[in-house]
Amino acid sequence: TQLLEQSPQFLSIQEGENLTVYCNSSSVFSSLQWYRQEPGEGPVLLVTVVTGGEVKKLKRLTFQFGDARKDSSLHITAAQPGDTGLYLCAGIHAGNNRKLIWGLGTSLAVNP
Amino acid sequence: NAGVTQTPKFRILKIGQSMTLQCTQDMNHNYMYWYRQDPGMGLKLIYYSVGAGITDKGEVPNGYNVSRSTTEDFPLRLELAAPSQTSVYFCASSYDNVNTEAFFGQGTRLTVV
Repeated sequence: TQLLEQSPQFLSIQEGENLTVYCNSSSVFSSLQWYRQEPGEGPVLLVTVVTGGEVKKLKRLTFQFGDARKDSSLHITAAQPGDTGLYLCAGIHAGNNRKLIWGLGTSLAVNP
Repeated sequence: NAGVTQTPKFRILKIGQSMTLQCTQDMNHNYMYWYRQDPGMGLKLIYYSVGAGITDKGEVPNGYNVSRSTTEDFPLRLELAAPSQTSVYFCASSYDNVNTEAFFGQGTRLTVV
């Protein structure tokens, strides 16, 4: 059973479209991180959210942490081909020895 | 800035062979991790270390060993390679485990034939 469920698993869109990907759990997390991984590279941190209800913006990317700290979303406005990659969420589980738990990722392809 | 450096980048092993994947970081991070990443399976934690001289098992430790003799280095040893160990291996480090960023190496693509 995956503690962090990411959806959708795959997403293929046209340049200029908007999209939202989700990271959900039935458990509470003390913080959630979003990473992007490009082919042949390791994941790179985009953002960390720590407060329930928190919203962070990074240019065209908007990250939200759910009020109950069980879920998070990533919204991309006007997607560009450079946004293509695997988006991974990872959380510090409040009751699991503070280990980092990873979702399986959303593979995004933005077509020109 | 070097960050986390992994070597080699690619390797092909025959069944039963042994090898060591090297990982070094120059950020003075206490925590270091080894993950394997298989298609559709996400990142699985193999071993981790919270400081020099301390290592602990992750989710999938069987078939692997690690050591942490210095803060900088965290090598991963495969003693008897099996086809099931074909994967991409990532080393990562972080200052601690409280809301801090994990820095990843570029990965080692290992094929066991």
